[in-house]
Amino acid sequence: IAGITQAPTSQILAAGRRMTLRCTQDMRHNAMYWYRQDLGLGLRLIHYSNTAGTTGKGEVPDGYSVSRANTDDFPLTLASAVPSQTSVYFCASSVEAGPGNTIYFGEGSWLTVV
Amino acid sequence: AQSVTQLDSQVPVFEEAPVELRCNYSSSVSVYLFWYVQYPNQGLQLLLKYLSGSTLVKGINGFEAEFNKSQTSFHLRKPSVHISDTAEYFCAVSGQTGANNLFFGTGTRLTVIP
Repeated sequence: IAGITQAPTSQILAAGRRMTLRCTQDMRHNAMYWYRQDLGLGLRLIHYSNTAGTTGKGEVPDGYSVSRANTDDFPLTLASAVPSQTSVYFCASSVEAGPGNTIYFGEGSWLTVV
Repeated sequence: AQSVTQLDSQVPVFEEAPVELRCNYSSSVSVYLFWYVQYPNQGLQLLLKYLSGSTLVKGINGFEAEFNKSQTSFHLRKPSVHISDTAEYFCAVSGQTGANNLFFGTGTRLTVIP
């Protein structure tokens, strides 16, 4: 069972470049999420999608965009990367969007912007 | 909005000793509470969650947590830790209505000493 697959696993990116982090889940979960993890700050929600075709902004959405064309895929795009976007990015999903649903996480994508 | 405070950033403990990881939350509404564990270079995995009912919640790997509404706490405990419990532990909170947005604490690094 694959669960949530993220790609790339790690990437070094020049500032100003565009980058898309890919996320695919095979659990047919309706809701998907992108978090970033920074030392001393825990995890913060960037964007979420309650169901295919809808997206919403989390705590720290600036500089990021997402799309949800189908149930399985939820890519995160950095239009013009900046060093402050150096972080570990986690894609996640839950069966439904309502609170209390367990959120399942991918293995993470380590991104360094130089 | 909700927030979580994890009072200890690092907790060293000897193998087979008991451990308590502290978590306090702040919210103006009723909440759901979660503990997640992150092993090195991996995503987060749910340990346990409190939605309703008994305030003592048992999770995987022998962990348990107690919801204390009057003290707004949800401390995680294990009576006897193993080397394999070395990991980062995150407390998280969400409201009981609206979107399934988790607010995470900054994490507690548990190091089990042989």
